[in-house]
Amino acid sequence: LAKTTQPISMDSYEGQEVNITCSHNNIATNDYITWYQQFPSQGPRFIIQGYKTKVTNEVASLFIPADRKSSTLSLPRVSLSDTAVYYCLVGDKAGANNLFFGTGTRLTVIP
Amino acid sequence: DADVTQTPRNRITKTGKRIMLECSQTKGHDRMYWYRQDPGLGLRLIYYSFDVKDINKGEISDGYSVSRQAQAKFSLSLESAIPNQTALYFCATSGPGLAGVNEQFFGPGTRLTVL
Repeated sequence: LAKTTQPISMDSYEGQEVNITCSHNNIATNDYITWYQQFPSQGPRFIIQGYKTKVTNEVASLFIPADRKSSTLSLPRVSLSDTAVYYCLVGDKAGANNLFFGTGTRLTVIP
Repeated sequence: DADVTQTPRNRITKTGKRIMLECSQTKGHDRMYWYRQDPGLGLRLIYYSFDVKDINKGEISDGYSVSRQAQAKFSLSLESAIPNQTALYFCATSGPGLAGVNEQFFGPGTRLTVL
């Protein structure tokens, strides 16, 4: 079971790029890396998923080095509305390993 | 996600009472999940079901039971509620994805208070 480690909290000013790193030293060959965002009193929402190298969508980018033992979620030019908790999950498609959210990283965007 | 609904949205009950939380989805997904979230903490998996005939315990299943009545319905029961089960409960679903791990879609949550 691939366990993840993230910083508990981060602060950033509006307009800056934010990078949140997740460590997953025991990632398995079939595992993917998935990030979710959660606002207070709401369920998490899928942001991005990747297997290796770089993935980009309209919301974020995900950078995964060659050894895949870590990943970095990059949020470009954050706004106050990006204040949320961000979770990194690691697991494969077939099993339930991708269902462990941990405590996530609480991002606070400051005006 | 409006395609995943939970009832009730809020519930206050007393210690020892039996309570059922219901989840329905219109996404046609096979997989359904129940999580609980305590203040300031992440989500912890209670039970999950990969299809109607499949039920699996999660990280914290003690004190809970579930029923998968149909593909679209997954209920969570607390047979004898206790105060430390006070939490925010989320239901989620996932289905076939194009690649990788199936994205989970969450309901709005049920806030349960056990006095």
